[in-house]
Amino acid sequence: GAVVSQHPSRVICKSGTSVKIECRSLDFQATTMFWYRQFPKQSLMLMATSNEGSKATYEQGVEKDKFLINHASLTLSTLTVTSAHPEDSSFYICGTSGAHGTQYFGPGTRLTVL
Amino acid sequence: DAKTTQPNSMESNEEEPVHLPCNHSTISGTDYIHWYRQLPSQGPEYVIHGLTSNVNNRMASLAIAEDRKSSTLILHRATLRDAAVYYCILGETSGSRLTFGEGTQLTVNP
Repeated sequence: GAVVSQHPSRVICKSGTSVKIECRSLDFQATTMFWYRQFPKQSLMLMATSNEGSKATYEQGVEKDKFLINHASLTLSTLTVTSAHPEDSSFYICGTSGAHGTQYFGPGTRLTVL
Repeated sequence: DAKTTQPNSMESNEEEPVHLPCNHSTISGTDYIHWYRQLPSQGPEYVIHGLTSNVNNRMASLAIAEDRKSSTLILHRATLRDAAVYYCILGETSGSRLTFGEGTQLTVNP
């Protein structure tokens, strides 16, 4: 399957600052990437679908102005959490789309907002 | 999105086979059945997927019922490293969204 990396693996920031998370598809051209977040003891929740060269599609309840997604190339998508607050602390995971609806996931980014 | 139902938890002993069930009674004709697993603090890992026929790969086997309303993930010899949350998810085509349920927490006893 595809190899997906995320950077950083963990980040701690102060409330009110912005944090950018990178998702790279290392061996696969990803037209579509997905961003999820996962709170402790919960399952993954899809935040948005990122399409290369076009605007991301956000799930209901996810603020597009707070979670900025850029997918400027076939190998890189970024998620920027703007004006982060403690309630944004979570595990953020990206996924790339493969055949038959299969997705390949990055290792995740642990965000802690103080 | 068509939903799946899995037991919350299962236990197995090391080196024994494990059969993880999944019900998906509202599956559509074009839905693929996907299985992923997730270890703590890691992203999900692809395990296997299939449409109608049973599938085998180096990690596991997928047995799909004839009516496709249920499937079973089979780990032939469980190891301690197989302890994870296993998700059964339906997905249609490339680029389609996946909806994760709560999955099955598999515990493997030494």
